[in-house]
Formats: sequence, structure tokens, C-alpha cells
Amino acid sequence: DQQVKQNSPSLSVQEGRISILNCDYTNSMFDYFLWYKKYPAEGPTFLISISSIKDKNEDGRFTVFLNKSAKHLSLHIVPSQPGDSAVYFCAASAASSGSARQLTFGSGTQLTVLP
Amino acid sequence: NAGVMQNPRHLVRRRGQEARLRCSPMKGHSHVYWYRQLPEEGLKFMVYLQKENIIDESGMPKERFSAEFPKEGPSILRIQQVVRGDSAAYFCASSPLEAYGYTFGSGTRLTVV
Repeated sequence: DQQVKQNSPSLSVQEGRISILNCDYTNSMFDYFLWYKKYPAEGPTFLISISSIKDKNEDGRFTVFLNKSAKHLSLHIVPSQPGDSAVYFCAASAASSGSARQLTFGSGTQLTVLP
Repeated sequence: NAGVMQNPRHLVRRRGQEARLRCSPMKGHSHVYWYRQLPEEGLKFMVYLQKENIIDESGMPKERFSAEFPKEGPSILRIQQVVRGDSAAYFCASSPLEAYGYTFGSGTRLTVV
């Protein structure tokens, strides 16, 4: 029972263009969403988050969009750089519930930015 | 300010042995979490601890797995009588009191032979 789904296992983008990574969720209790980036042999690194009271959050080159009615969120990276090549994980939590601190992760999308 | 420290980075155990994974949270962080990543999968929640307390162990297998976060020292994830299916990357994370964004360690890669 995958509550957080990242349907694209991989994505290739040219340097300088936009990268769009997608994530869908099924649990309507989720109200806080995060994106993590992971390099090989390292732990995930927090990138950006969004609360369900918002539909957009921006931090430099990274923007996360949330569509609650569609239970869909996306991460936009503009412009993409070769150093952005990594696995990106979407994660969700039910922040207002008893399991607020438990994150449910998607299976990840490998982003490759081509020079 | 060191990050979340996990050791060992790599651990090889024979079937039936015990595995002990250690995690020292970031300074000032009072919450510790353990996650497991199986090959080709995302991270799966195992357990959430505060000092001397297990807060949420809903992701822990019922047998052979235990976790602690003592008053002094690192958090320990213990796996008794390991089996091949326990081979995975185990990540520890920590956070301060009121934050949802974790800081992860680099993980311990457990291989059971």
C-alpha cells in the first residue's frame, strides 16, 4: 500500500532547463510535504517543504507546488545544474495527527542533469 | 557542529548474528528517528525516540528488532538473529523539539551473508 508515489523512476534534463519532479499521495490525512535530495552513499538532505495551507513555496531555484484536490505535488528546479543530479524523494506527514513525526517516503526519482 | 553521526558505515554479519547500529544526533536535537531503505525502494519509517522513551515504534518489525535512546550516549538500533532480508541501508535522523524537517545521517549499510 504505497501512500506516496513517485511514478517516474528517472528523469533526464539539459543543463539550464527546468526539471519537474512529480509526486502523488493517497492519504488525505497528510498535511505536510517535504522533498529530500540524496547522493549515493549519503543520507537524504532536506530541500524544501510545504504545508497544506499553501499551494506554493519557493526557495531559490526550488519551488514546490501542492494541488490538494488532486493529491499531487511537484518540485520545480530552475535552472537545472549538473550538481542537481541525485535521487529526489517526496515525503509526507500527517502533522496534526498522533503520528506527526513519521514521514512516509516515495520511492524516489533519479534526476540526471546533462551538461 | 557535527551532523548526525552513524556508525559503522558498513556492517557485515552472518545469518543468526546480532547487528548493532549506532546514531549520535546533532547537538541540541532531542528527537531521533530510524528508517530503513531496501534496494530500489524509498525509506520506510521504523521508530521515533526521545531520550529514554520510545514514542512511536509502529514501523518496527515485531520480532528481533529493538531500539533505545539512553540518557547518555547514542541511540542504538539492535537486530538480533539477522536474516538475509535484513540487508538494507539503515538511516538515522534527528530533529529539534518542534520541527518536522529531519537531518539524516549517512546511514549504515548492513549486509547479511
